[in-house]
Amino acid sequence: EADIYQTPRYLVIGTGKKITLECSQTMGHDKMYWYQQDPGMELHLIHYSYGVNSTEKGDLSSESTVSRIRTEHFPLTLESARPSHTSQYLCASSDPQRPTDTQYFGPGTRLTVL
Amino acid sequence: GESVGLHLPTLSVQEGDNSIINCAYSNSASDYFIWYKQESGKGPQFIIDIRSNMDKRQGQRVTVLLNKTVKHLSLQIAATQPGDSAVYFCAVSFQGAQKLVFGQGTRLTINP
Repeated sequence: EADIYQTPRYLVIGTGKKITLECSQTMGHDKMYWYQQDPGMELHLIHYSYGVNSTEKGDLSSESTVSRIRTEHFPLTLESARPSHTSQYLCASSDPQRPTDTQYFGPGTRLTVL
Repeated sequence: GESVGLHLPTLSVQEGDNSIINCAYSNSASDYFIWYKQESGKGPQFIIDIRSNMDKRQGQRVTVLLNKTVKHLSLQIAATQPGDSAVYFCAVSFQGAQKLVFGQGTRLTINP
């Protein structure tokens, strides 16, 4: 069982607002990831990090930004939310020291932009 | 690159029967394969994984089979229970990419 947390779980917000989705893990994992998922659909990688001060864009273009100042914390920010950002956002982490580098997921944040 | 596809978007089985969920991948260099279960309102939960040096791996009530010749992966769930109802995703990576590519998911429904 992985210890990875996301807040808020649900967020309804108006267009143009700035929002930050929080993700924290207590396992000391170096790698962390953000995925975007529409209901019942596949996960798309939007950001990842290999450690403190390391961030990379994923396969799916996203207007969001991330930061990695501490190992355990990987927040995602949208400067100006739009209805097209409505989706579920999933955070994951993995330990590259393990042979299989398995990713463990948080519960997700369901974002609705009106 | 890599693309991953599932054969069926939905699957219904009777409680107590065995379920088989299939997945196909495109990159013959892929060397790590993983199955996740996602229940409604939750994040994906790790079920079982397998590396390319194996063709079968068993867990509790689950078995993953890997056929590298045809680039096919399957998840078998024995004696399905109502709690097995969820969307199942396969994910694939290859050494050097250090990223997982996910398939579209199969929704498994268990009929009483």
